Amino acid sequence: EAQVTQNPRYLITVTGKKLTVTCSQNMNHEYMSWYRQDPGLGLRQIYYSMNVEVTDKGDVPEGYKVSRKEKRNFPLILESPSPNQTSLYFCASSEQVRFRGTEAFFGQGTRLTVV
Amino acid sequence: DAKTTQPTSMDCAEGRAANLPCNHSTISGNEYVYWYRQIHSQGPQYIIHGLKNNETNEMASLIITEDRKSSTLILPHATLRDTAVYYCIVRPGGTYKYIFGTGTRLKVLA
Repeated sequence: EAQVTQNPRYLITVTGKKLTVTCSQNMNHEYMSWYRQDPGLGLRQIYYSMNVEVTDKGDVPEGYKVSRKEKRNFPLILESPSPNQTSLYFCASSEQVRFRGTEAFFGQGTRLTVV
Repeated sequence: DAKTTQPTSMDCAEGRAANLPCNHSTISGNEYVYWYRQIHSQGPQYIIHGLKNNETNEMASLIITEDRKSSTLILPHATLRDTAVYYCIVRPGGTYKYIFGTGTRLKVLA
């Protein structure tokens, strides 16, 4: 079954304690990205990756890092989490196809609370 | 900013067709119209997309006006499980970032 898997699904942590949210896809997709969703603000892109070792900032990258060492994995790293990073996070992946539409697959989300 | 305008909320009776409108008056020639939905706080789920022609799949139909400035997503026989927030998104082909607006909250009533 085609899927994007995020872990953990729920996490409560303290300010400043480094954490990693993992994301893995089994569809051999080139493109992967991270979004955060906050009430009233919709989903906003944090970082994206066009392929292995190719990453770039999205709209709200401050306080986050990513890496893409393997095609299937795209972890999101919060080196020093702060309460304003409390949010619902989604990982997504899609084929990299030029000049035509392609659907994206989203993970089930990670609800992060930073206290 | 999102390039689409959708009603904030809609109700639909179970078993009836749900017609969700979307305005995208500034759409460019190479931009596709996508529809996703989000049930509770789950990950957005792809429904359908199109460029110029009407499209149909097992979930829904997408009707795009001839001038491409608006579209309608049709769920032919809405069920309670279709209660969700529906997002209409325009995006150029060959790009991968989605700009989500606030969507339409569809409530299917028994």
